[in-house]
Amino acid sequence: ETGVTQTPRHLVMGMTNKKSLKCEQHLGHNAMYWYKQSAKKPLELMFVYSLEERVENNSVPSRFSPECPNSSHLFLHLHTLQPEDSALYLCASSQRRGGPEQYFGPGTRLTVT
Amino acid sequence: QKEVEQDPGPLSVPEGAIVSLNCTYSNSAFQYFMWYRQYSRKGPELLMYTYSSGNKEDGRFTAQVDKSSKYISLFIRDSQPSDSATYLCASYSSASKIIFGSGTRLSIRP
Repeated sequence: ETGVTQTPRHLVMGMTNKKSLKCEQHLGHNAMYWYKQSAKKPLELMFVYSLEERVENNSVPSRFSPECPNSSHLFLHLHTLQPEDSALYLCASSQRRGGPEQYFGPGTRLTVT
Repeated sequence: QKEVEQDPGPLSVPEGAIVSLNCTYSNSAFQYFMWYRQYSRKGPELLMYTYSSGNKEDGRFTAQVDKSSKYISLFIRDSQPSDSATYLCASYSSASKIIFGSGTRLSIRP
């Protein structure tokens, strides 16, 4: 595997379910990000991790809970989501936090029913 | 006012045409200006970035920044059907997070 991988690629969950999104980067980068992409809206930065430490949380509801166990892996734990949370969730990594070059995974298409 | 504004399109041009994609931004502190390309069912990939004003060329692609008018442009020469994608502009400063535009969907007709 190369680059940034994400699993699952598609996820359908009910509002009472708990699920997790997984991201893995094979680039040796030190920073990882979660973004939300909704139709016709700009990418919204959700969380930033630098050297496994959360450095940004952009007013994201607590029903989204990130976890970064090491510099290569990033998780997004989901619980009691709302239908408006349906979107494409993208993971990205960069050599250092704040650089212009971010490498994105293919995303997880999430549908909340 | 959005910090980075981008016409969503869609923009459809014939193969071989010169394509001009544009964004405006409002934060005069922005120093880095990027263009990402996103194919359907894929994540965005960085095409090129510039620091401050000026032009940068990479093959058929030219990025241009005019800080006086807060205008960002991407030109694609000799456009190909494989250039059909959504193009995202983005900007940031050393003190801010990256702000993305909403993307312009481009279609190149063979």
